[in-house]
Amino acid sequence: AQKVTQAQTEISVVEKEDVTLDCVYETRDTTYYLFWYKQPPSGELVFLIRRNSFDEQNEISGRYSWNFQKSTSSFNFTITASQVVDSAVYFCALSGLISGYSTLTFGKGTMLLVSP
Amino acid sequence: NAGVTQTPKFRVLKTGQSMTLLCAQDMNHEYMYWYRQDPGMGLRLIHYSVGEGTTAKGEVPDGYNVSRLKKQNFLLGLESAAPSQTSVYFCASRPSTTSYNEQFFGPGTRLTVL
Repeated sequence: AQKVTQAQTEISVVEKEDVTLDCVYETRDTTYYLFWYKQPPSGELVFLIRRNSFDEQNEISGRYSWNFQKSTSSFNFTITASQVVDSAVYFCALSGLISGYSTLTFGKGTMLLVSP
Repeated sequence: NAGVTQTPKFRVLKTGQSMTLLCAQDMNHEYMYWYRQDPGMGLRLIHYSVGEGTTAKGEVPDGYNVSRLKKQNFLLGLESAAPSQTSVYFCASRPSTTSYNEQFFGPGTRLTVL
């Protein structure tokens, strides 16, 4: 069975602080994909990044960076110099097979509150 | 392109009433999904469809039925609503041609069952 654990339920920071959101996953698949989604207060789900299991290169996109470590089954997300607009719930998700069809398993999410 | 749309956006039901949530996508995607989101639970898969005329159960299918009569539409039905079905429902779709399973989500339907 697949599982995604986001141990941090809620994080509060002050603007301009750096913050890291943790994601640990379990899977028996040798090929899989990991995702991060953002859910702002408006409620929609916004795709942030996709990473496949063969690509352990870290990625940076502006203030966002992702650290994928297969050895520890972790795919952590760091926001540098956080801003109030970063306040949202962030979900980590893992692709996998259920009954032969590919689906996504989501973590329970981490609520990030950035105060001015 | 509108992407993935959901109708209605909000709904309040009384226990025992029935209703259908409509999901429509204009991207010609083969795969469609229904999730529910509850506080502290993340998104959980209710049912999914890998093509027109096919449906399958996900993680939490009890109390729901689905139909995929047309490729672009995926309907989620509640035959006899219960307060435990109060939730935000998200529909998603993706093409079958990609291996990485990035799903495109609709804006959600907030359902309250009294």
